[in-house]
Amino acid sequence: QKEVEQNSGPLSVPEGAIASLNCTYSDRVSQSFFWYRQYSGKSPELIMSIYSNGDKEDGRFTAQLNKASQYVSLLIRDSQPSDSATYLCAVNPNAGNNRKLIWGLGTSLAVNP
Amino acid sequence: DADVTQTPRNRITKTGKRIMLECSQTKGHDRMYWYRQDPGLGLRLIYYSFDVKDINKGEISDGYSVSRQAQAKFSLSLESAIPNQTALYFCATRGEYGNTGELFFGEGSRLTVL
Repeated sequence: QKEVEQNSGPLSVPEGAIASLNCTYSDRVSQSFFWYRQYSGKSPELIMSIYSNGDKEDGRFTAQLNKASQYVSLLIRDSQPSDSATYLCAVNPNAGNNRKLIWGLGTSLAVNP
Repeated sequence: DADVTQTPRNRITKTGKRIMLECSQTKGHDRMYWYRQDPGLGLRLIYYSFDVKDINKGEISDGYSVSRQAQAKFSLSLESAIPNQTALYFCATRGEYGNTGELFFGEGSRLTVL
């Protein structure tokens, strides 16, 4: 069974701090990795994708991928109350684009003013 | 207006009723998906379609059917609704050349089956 695991949280950080969200996956051949943000009662929104080992930065967000250890993380710098949401990790388990994503259950983040 | 539109946004129905959830998109994408989301179970794929002649079952298709009426329209039907189909349903799209994980979601349809 291919799995994607996330700590459900809630992760609570003060405003301005760095929030660190982690995701591990079981299928070693997984190729691409995605972070979605979902506000309560709203739909998921893609915020980061990463395909190669290392870091990928986009504004206050940094995705980190370590395929050898089978984890992907999302760092949010200078956290704002508007970052309070559930963050979903999703993994493309195979090479190619005609495969179904494997979703984690999400980590709830609360940024306290 | 949203690029991926779902109707209805909220629906309360009774056990045994037939329900249709509709999804339309203006993104020009050929790939469309139906997911349901439940607390503690996450997002689960019900059906997906790569074009109007291609329909595929997801991991939880029992009790559901779909129709791809056009490239831009993908409907989900519950032939005889039951209470454990109470959930938040999302339609999503992806372009042919987009990565598997680059999905664009509709606003969601909250269905309650009494």
